[in-house]
Amino acid sequence: EAGVTQSPTHLIKTRGQQATLRCSPISGHTSVYWYQQALGLGLQFLLWYDEGEERNRGNFPPRFSGRQFPNYSSELNVNALELEDSALYLCASSLGGGQRELYSNQPQHFGDGTRLSIL
Amino acid sequence: DQQVKQNSPSLSVQEGRISILNCDYTNSMFDYFLWYKKYPAEGPTFLISISSIKDKNEDGRFTVFLNKSAKHLSLHIVPSQPGDSAVYFCAASPGYSSASKIIFGSGTRLSIRP
Repeated sequence: EAGVTQSPTHLIKTRGQQATLRCSPISGHTSVYWYQQALGLGLQFLLWYDEGEERNRGNFPPRFSGRQFPNYSSELNVNALELEDSALYLCASSLGGGQRELYSNQPQHFGDGTRLSIL
Repeated sequence: DQQVKQNSPSLSVQEGRISILNCDYTNSMFDYFLWYKKYPAEGPTFLISISSIKDKNEDGRFTVFLNKSAKHLSLHIVPSQPGDSAVYFCAASPGYSSASKIIFGSGTRLSIRP
């Protein structure tokens, strides 16, 4: 079974540019989560999509946005990039709704991330 | 304000001995706790979880202990093996309300020395 895949692996941008990160969930998973892991910090929740809709977002400015497509893949868009946006961006997927997965033996499944570097 | 804290950024343990990773939380609404393991250049992988109705959950070499009164949980790995060298993230959630409310600690880097 293919896991969560993210692309690109690395992305280098300059301040003010826009970045698009992509995520394909595990087949059968309808929920997609985005996290940011900045250097020295834990995983910070960014966005949660389920069944094509944004269900929740973390404490990030509106220039962080995204969408989920009918095939449940997802994009994370970051506009007006700033130096502090340099981080590892992780995508995770789970079965629909998210809640049920919490009590199963296998919660969110993570991709390997996209490392975004802002010069 | 960090709701989930892993106060030890790193830990070094001899192979074959017990590794104990600690995690503290502040939000009494948390009732589901998870540990993830992360190798460099890979995403975190789920390791073990515990709900607040239990105080211990065991899976092979891994045991998680939960002390609700102290708002503390720990992950025990015994015996420690070289492949256990990784960063370990503790995470907590208010449970059924929303998966997106999972809060992660900053991680502890575990190094297993021969």
